[in-house]
Amino acid sequence: KQEVTQIPAALSVPEGENLVLNCSFTDSAIYNLQWFRQDPGKGLTSLLLIQSSQREQTSGRLNASLDKSSGRSTLYIAASQPGDSATYLCAVRGNTPLVFGKGTRLSVIA
Amino acid sequence: GAVVSQHPSWVICKSGTSVKIECRSLDFQATTMFWYRQFPKQSLMLMATSNEGSKATYEQGVEKDKFLINHASLTLSTLTVTSAHPEDSSFYICSASLPAAEQYFGPGTRLTVT
Repeated sequence: KQEVTQIPAALSVPEGENLVLNCSFTDSAIYNLQWFRQDPGKGLTSLLLIQSSQREQTSGRLNASLDKSSGRSTLYIAASQPGDSATYLCAVRGNTPLVFGKGTRLSVIA
Repeated sequence: GAVVSQHPSWVICKSGTSVKIECRSLDFQATTMFWYRQFPKQSLMLMATSNEGSKATYEQGVEKDKFLINHASLTLSTLTVTSAHPEDSSFYICSASLPAAEQYFGPGTRLTVT
């Protein structure tokens, strides 16, 4: 059974800092991996989707990497801003629907 | 990306009543729809997977007689919470996709049972 772990559970950084969120998964037989953002009380916003054949994806200040063989992904956020404060969820899809990690709650302090 | 809508966005109901939540894929025909539930400060947990025209597959621990799922067309799935209780209060999110493709999520429905 696929399990997704995200570290750290919470992170607080000063504005402008670069940061890395980590995601690991137990079953490397995946189709894709997605990073989502969730604001309190809101739904999901898809940030980046990495297909299993890809190594990384970039969108603006966000860069996600995927090492399928080791079961790891990272989300790199450059020059963090207070508006980046949210919970970031990692999810993987294989033969099952998306399985989510518990998320990293990010606070960017102005 | 594709658009998935949910209705209602929030609902308050009394204990013992039933509530129906609709999930629609607006610009593509979804062969498969998924229902997730999220309790406060927890992650999303898959409740069930439904394929158009067939019975839903429920995850372990999810009562199929309590959470009725109907996927009558390629663009509509409904989740009915029957005889709702306060412990059913949660954030319900649907997702739609084609096989082995990206899942697109609805905005979620917040259910409060009083």
